[in-house]
Amino acid sequence: RKEVEQDPGPFNVPEGATVAFNCTYSNSASQSFFWYRQDCRKEPKLLMSVYSSGNEDGRFTAQLNRASQYISLLIRDSKLSDSATYLCVVVNYGGSQGNLIFGKGTKLSVKP
Amino acid sequence: DTEVTQTPKHLVMGMTNKKSLKCEQHMGHRAMYWYKQKAKKPPELMFVYSYEKLSINESVPSRFSPECPNSSLLNLHLHALQPEDSALYLCASSSQASGVEQYFGPGTRLTVT
Repeated sequence: RKEVEQDPGPFNVPEGATVAFNCTYSNSASQSFFWYRQDCRKEPKLLMSVYSSGNEDGRFTAQLNRASQYISLLIRDSKLSDSATYLCVVVNYGGSQGNLIFGKGTKLSVKP
Repeated sequence: DTEVTQTPKHLVMGMTNKKSLKCEQHMGHRAMYWYKQKAKKPPELMFVYSYEKLSINESVPSRFSPECPNSSLLNLHLHALQPEDSALYLCASSSQASGVEQYFGPGTRLTVT
């Protein structure tokens, strides 16, 4: 089983749609979780951290389910500018190091 | 608007060349990273520097040689690369090397001919 798994998509949705991405992770000791977005030929940019209590930032909501070892990202009222690849990132700790483990990303394409 | 800068943006080099990639951050972060990213793949960690000391080398071939001259700068020295080393090389930094969020530079797109 891969450490971090995501549906690669692509998700093709119309503007205004609500879209949800899920991500599962294999290491039950993982402690930190993030969503990054990456535009074509650009660097990954931090979208939001994911907390056990869930967190929301405008149209974006992230949830963590530790028992089932999955993370979700919900985007409401999709905009054309949301088109990107969304990377699920999990942090596993070893000693004093915490290495980011990236999923392969889910591609979102929002159409007019 | 990134606070991690990388130079050059693009680099084409032959297999016998020696070149260096440079990264600089102005956020006072104490951990810096090099990643390699191939098309349609996620970033792969290469090196981690924590407090200017190399703390992780993910079994990277010796033709890649990192250097951290000070807490703001990170270099990646390249020598005798192979065509399969062509990729986007990303630098990132974080406040500490303990799994907090990392901030990426725009990357150097490297082509080895």
